Amino acid sequence: GENVEQHPSTLSVQEGDSAVIKCTYSDSASNYFPWYKQELGKGPQLIIDIRSNVGEKKDQRIAVTLNKTAKHFSLHITETQPEDSAVYFCAAGLGSGTYKYIFGTGTRLKVLA
Amino acid sequence: DVKVTQSSRYLVKRTGEKVFLECVQDMDHENMFWYRQDPGLGLRLIYFSYDVKMKEKGDIPEGYSVSREKKERFSLILESASTNQTSMYLCASRYRSGNTGELFFGEGSRLTVL
Repeated sequence: GENVEQHPSTLSVQEGDSAVIKCTYSDSASNYFPWYKQELGKGPQLIIDIRSNVGEKKDQRIAVTLNKTAKHFSLHITETQPEDSAVYFCAAGLGSGTYKYIFGTGTRLKVLA
Repeated sequence: DVKVTQSSRYLVKRTGEKVFLECVQDMDHENMFWYRQDPGLGLRLIYFSYDVKMKEKGDIPEGYSVSREKKERFSLILESASTNQTSMYLCASRYRSGNTGELFFGEGSRLTVL
């Protein structure tokens, strides 16, 4: 069935360094790829998304890249800060006509001061 | 400011009890979702409602039912709670149907079944 693999499951970086989280999806019909950030005690919140007709999108310190051929997309956070510490989830939205998002298993990012 | 409110942050129930988890959104969203979050498994969809009185099963509907009598309210029901339903439950809403669009999540309801 449809699947999204996410790596790594945990990631520790020094403040100011970059962090990269990678996801691979299985359904070639997927055309929407959001990233959610979940802070402790809160629900996930959308931080950036990308559609399949775009290869890269950037919003200040965060960026997402998409390689449709490889069915692979990544989240890049530059100049990490302690407030970036959270759990990050990638997701893939399946083809048109369906409501379904398949979520990855999450990455716990720790930014060390 | 958009808001999805889950009525209970923490619940402790006994095996066999009937459990109601309530979710209310104030954004006039058509779509509402119930997810279950477990460590190492991510978010898994239990049920989805694309409009009032409409519902569809997600990936793990067994042991659960839902009710959507009003647009703003989506309830998750555990008819007879079991220990393997101990988990974090997240409600979300989204504007319109289709395969894109931001999900707005509540803060979650952590259920423990003893």
